[in-house]
Amino acid sequence: QSALTQPPSASGSPGQSVTISCTGTSSDVGGYNYVSWYQHHPGKAPKLMIYEVTKRPSGVPDRFSGSKSDNTASLTVSGLQAEDEADYYCSSYGGSNNWVFGGGTKLTVL
Amino acid sequence: EVQLVESGGGLVKPGGSLRLSCAASGFTFSSYVMNWVRQAPGKGLEWVSSISDNSSYIYYAESLKGRFTISRDNAKNSLYLQMNSLRAEDTAIYYCIQGSWFDYWGQGTLVTVSS
Repeated sequence: QSALTQPPSASGSPGQSVTISCTGTSSDVGGYNYVSWYQHHPGKAPKLMIYEVTKRPSGVPDRFSGSKSDNTASLTVSGLQAEDEADYYCSSYGGSNNWVFGGGTKLTVL
Repeated sequence: EVQLVESGGGLVKPGGSLRLSCAASGFTFSSYVMNWVRQAPGKGLEWVSSISDNSSYIYYAESLKGRFTISRDNAKNSLYLQMNSLRAEDTAIYYCIQGSWFDYWGQGTLVTVSS
């Protein structure tokens, strides 16, 4: 069982918005602003999409945004495009030099 | 362009050992934290270990302490993971990752522990 809880799947039509949640505890997600999100197309290297809850690395479209409320972080993908179809994983600093990840969410663009 | 290429995976019997390597290029290797993360078949990601730029700080997932050893050779731009006393539950794809935020990932190397 993964330390952070994500829904197994999410979906949306092109142009729509979809939000993926990532629920932890006050010892990880709720305790630090160190939540990241990764996009993984099968067979390729995972890619960092969001770090420190809301920040986007250079080159990541602004259609991707992150937020956090209490022990739950969220990734929102706006203006869905076909190429957004992938697995998405969250991670959080868990204290005591420990990192925790979510189980992943498969995003389907209908 | 950052490139991370893992190698050393394969089939190993329970109780055996394996050493993974990661060849890094496209950035100043000696300036970055490096990490290993794994993904068991059908499961989510699991952080394994991290090492600071000059190897002064090394951290492991609690469940792996004592069996896995992370190291790096900044002169060779290489990261390593020595895995001992392997168990079936260590079967996974092992990813080499650059950066404190797990910024750049390799494509992974598959480790299968089976008799």
